[in-house]
Amino acid sequence: EVQLVQSGAEVKEPGESLKISCKGSGFNIATYWIAWVRQMPGKGLEWMGLISGSASDTRYSPSFQGQVTISVDNSINTAYLQWNSLKASDTAIYYCARRWAITGAPLGDYWGQGTLVTVSS
Amino acid sequence: QSALTQPASVSGSPGQSITISCTGTSRDVGAYNYVSWYQQYPGKAPKLLIHDVSNRPSGVSTRFSGSKSGNTASLTISGLQAEDEADYHCNSYTGSSPLYVFGTGTEVTVL
Repeated sequence: EVQLVQSGAEVKEPGESLKISCKGSGFNIATYWIAWVRQMPGKGLEWMGLISGSASDTRYSPSFQGQVTISVDNSINTAYLQWNSLKASDTAIYYCARRWAITGAPLGDYWGQGTLVTVSS
Repeated sequence: QSALTQPASVSGSPGQSITISCTGTSRDVGAYNYVSWYQQYPGKAPKLLIHDVSNRPSGVSTRFSGSKSGNTASLTISGLQAEDEADYHCNSYTGSSPLYVFGTGTEVTVL
């Protein structure tokens, strides 16, 4: 069974760093792409970026370029999303989603359960 | 690149059909047949309903159908049921940066 299991909820203070994870099972992450999607409280979905499972290519939305880093460790079938210095405006639910390795393929034939990140002093 | 435009809310009675629009530009929705639709219940992850404008993944009800005309894609829910009450999001591939753009989201209410 294909699954994406994300790390648990986090509560951080502004300025702190954070790395959340998305572990795939039932498939080889190296042959897919993993996307990250933000959903701020009560708002819609925002595409942040995606990474090839081989780690050979990473694409960021201009809105998130330089604000986050997406990485993957395909030896443990896990993708990551990290921040060096969190802001209160980073408070949101973050989803990972699997994408086929085909141009234009849809995001998320499978999704993680979401990780709630709360940034507050 | 701005978010695709969806109506904030759409409602209908059980058994009716409703249509949700998703308006983009000639650089996204109008340029590629790579429009997807997602259903999201409160507190849950989105679920892929439609991909490539009108294709349903295995297991998705045939009551959901997608289409596109010009820069506007549409999701139609036929035979509306109480379980269809959820948020619906469209998404389009753009071929440039950002590679994907989501819609503003639509809340569907079953009266």
